[in-house]
Parts: sequence; structure tokens; C-alpha cells
Amino acid sequence: DARVTQTPRDKVTEMGQEVTMRCQPILGHNTVFWYRQTMMQGLELLAYFRNRAPLDDSGMPKDRFSAEMPDATLATLKIQPSEPRDSAVYFCASAPSGDTQYFGPGTRLTVL
Amino acid sequence: KQEVTQIPAALSVPEGENLVLNCSFTDSAIYNLQWFRQDPGKGLTSLLLIQSSQREQTSGRLNASLDKSSGRSTLYIAASQPGDSATYLCAVDSGGYQKVTFGIGTKLQVIP
Repeated sequence: DARVTQTPRDKVTEMGQEVTMRCQPILGHNTVFWYRQTMMQGLELLAYFRNRAPLDDSGMPKDRFSAEMPDATLATLKIQPSEPRDSAVYFCASAPSGDTQYFGPGTRLTVL
Repeated sequence: KQEVTQIPAALSVPEGENLVLNCSFTDSAIYNLQWFRQDPGKGLTSLLLIQSSQREQTSGRLNASLDKSSGRSTLYIAASQPGDSATYLCAVDSGGYQKVTFGIGTKLQVIP
């Protein structure tokens, strides 16, 4: 049963620290997404890649966030420096050609 | 800008009851609408996807309808079970992944 995996599942850090979240998409899926979920804003698309190339990152604060896909099996989302307002659950999802996205379990980030 | 609203925010029903969850959107120019289920501490699981040309989709005890002209979709759950307890989100695709807007969700509790 293929699944999207994310690490770490939980991360607590102090303001100003660098945070890196990792995602392993389902093998063969060519599109990868990063979302952020908060109680107030709900689920927001931060960035997405197709065939490892970034297609859109307009939902992401450029000054502190960066997203990359070093290879087809790894996507990373980095925040540097982190701020308390970045506290949220970050989801990665992958999709084959088509509309259905498969979500990972998320990384719960708390910035103190 | 597309806005997606889900009412009610929370719903509690006794086991066996049929129920309807509502999703409304402001811009009727959509490509598709998708219903997801989210369990606590987990990612989203796709339940049903309705293309803009379709009126409804069914999967088991679930039936989703779409009325683009009125900007509404409903998710009907027949014979509810405690295992249906989760948060249900609708997502409206207005033109590609970067234009997918999620609702905040309806938290459903089915009481045994």
C-alpha cells in the first residue's frame, strides 16, 4: 500500500531556528505539493512541483521559505528563520497524472 | 478570488442517521470539486471528485452532488457509522492546482 511519508511528524523549535521538513512522494507520482493548515486559514497551497521542477510557489513567503526536490524521491520545505506565526501542520501530497492527490500524515510545527 | 464555505462547522448525529454536509463557493467557473476526509492527526483522504460537467458521484454510502449555477455541493452520507467520524473538507479547483481552494471543513461526530 503506497503512501506519502513525511518527517518529522512533530517539531518544536525556537524562533529564529531553521526548520527542514521532508517528504517522500509515492513512487511514480510526478506532481508534489506542499500545503499548510491552520485553524484560522484552513488548508493553503504553498508550492508544487511537476517532474521535480517548481511550477508555482506564489503561496509561499519567499523571504523565509524555500522548497526543493533534490530527486524524485525527496521533497523538502525549509523555513529560515522560523517565526511563531509559522506554527501549523504542513502537509505534502503527491499525484500521478490526474486530479487525485494523496496526502502524507503531516508535520506539526510549533515555533516558540 | 474563490471563497469556499462549509456549513455547519460541526455536526453530531446518532448512528444510523442519514446526513448532508454542505459546501458553497462564490465563483461558478470551476474545473472540479473534491470531497476529502481528514482524521485527527492525519492527512486528507480523497472521497469523491466531481468534474464540472458532472452532477453527482457515488461511492458506497457516499453521494456527492454539484450544482455549479448555484455554487453548491452536498455530500450525503447514508446510514452513518461511528467510523465516519472525521472532518470533511471540500476543495474547489478553479483552474489548476494553484487555484484549488479548500473549505475549513465540517467536523462530524457519529454517536454509537
